Amino acid sequence: GAVVSQHPSRVICKSGTSVKIECRSLDFQATTMFWYRQFPKQSLMLMATSNEGSKATYEQGVEKDKFLINHASLTLSTLTVTSAHPEDSSFYICSARVNSNQPQHFGDGTRLSIL
Amino acid sequence: AQKITQTQPGMFVQEKEAVTLDCTYDTSDQSYGLFWYKQPSSGEMIFLIYQGSYDEQNATEGRYSLNFQKARKSANLVISASQLGDSAMYFCAMREGLKGSARQLTFGSGTQLTVLP
Repeated sequence: GAVVSQHPSRVICKSGTSVKIECRSLDFQATTMFWYRQFPKQSLMLMATSNEGSKATYEQGVEKDKFLINHASLTLSTLTVTSAHPEDSSFYICSARVNSNQPQHFGDGTRLSIL
Repeated sequence: AQKITQTQPGMFVQEKEAVTLDCTYDTSDQSYGLFWYKQPSSGEMIFLIYQGSYDEQNATEGRYSLNFQKARKSANLVISASQLGDSAMYFCAMREGLKGSARQLTFGSGTQLTVLP
């Protein structure tokens, strides 16, 4: 149980394109979802926390207009990288949990490459 | 100050041997949880083991055990009988108890483990 599906797994696109990444909890309802960014050989850095039906809480230094997060239902959160540039190239991972007393379950990540 | 510190950027171990990956943490909360995740080169984060701050016994899951020393604020991961498939990046993470409702995970910098045949 507790499967989180993230799609797409890999994206290659031109600079200036907006890219949407989906994170779905397949067999549980996720009141909270988290979006992380990971550069090669580095740790996961939390970008934002989203709760279903409310605005996401962004970490310091993360541009909310650049990284749009929508958590419209208990099973789906989306991250849209708007007008992506090469410096946005990274590995993006989402995670989801039922509530604050439950563990976080991770998606398989999305490798984003901006040319 | 770093909340989670992993001092070993890289570790090597011979197949079938045991290996300990170090993790120390910093928190003022009384209630917290410690996690270990494995990240193979394919990128997915695989949950390995969990230790709650109030758990009196060290957590074990198959070949994984957590050496929890609360007074030293350390939560080392021990992998017994290493296998080639254990080669991966390993992250220690902490979830603090009472600060806000989010209680998100904070990750260490990771240790790249290589198992040698």
